[in-house]
Amino acid sequence: QQPVQSPQAVILREGEDAVINCSSSKALYSVHWYRQKHGEAPVFLMILLKGGEQKGHDKISASFNEKKQQSSLYLTASQLSYSGTYFCGTDQNVPYNQGGKLIFGQGTELSVKP
Amino acid sequence: DAGVIQSPRHEVTEMGQEVTLRCKPISGHNSLFWYRQTMMRGLELLIYFNNNVPIDDSGMPEDRFSAKMPNASFSTLKIQPSEPRDSAVYFCASSRKFGYTFGSGTRLTVV
Repeated sequence: QQPVQSPQAVILREGEDAVINCSSSKALYSVHWYRQKHGEAPVFLMILLKGGEQKGHDKISASFNEKKQQSSLYLTASQLSYSGTYFCGTDQNVPYNQGGKLIFGQGTELSVKP
Repeated sequence: DAGVIQSPRHEVTEMGQEVTLRCKPISGHNSLFWYRQTMMRGLELLIYFNNNVPIDDSGMPEDRFSAKMPNASFSTLKIQPSEPRDSAVYFCASSRKFGYTFGSGTRLTVV
């Protein structure tokens, strides 16, 4: 089942902060975050694993609440380069590193203005 | 590292024609995924392979769609016959440990 992201869109001024949320109705093994700029492919940002381990981007942080099956992506002191659509991906039945698949949310469009 | 290579980048075809999309994953990546992206449906997983073996094709919309991975360095997604509603961007992605690397995608337009 597709995870649900909120908000659908957000507009920021440079330097402002934003939070993007991702929730699932099913138990998760991990949550993955990707950013896609217009006309380009999605690019991996980070992965959050059960137990709190994170791997990925050093300027963007995220949290993973396993009990609530929710994750949040924190974008602080936003830069123009942060603009794009952010997707969360979740593995539900089989862990991604044991041959499972990622199902992506519908995306959150982030626009950072000067 | 050349990344995931997809071809063609753009394809315009007439309804009823056969379309073949190609993907070369990153060397050493043992998982390969085909996604379709549209405004209405977002990023949909069509099919994925582990070690060249198809694992889950439940996302393939109809029998008109088929995918193969004859070896670790090549995969194809075929649509026969194509229909206007197949118009979308088709992404191939590969993975080894964590994180998917996506190709640049094929923008398919069926007229």
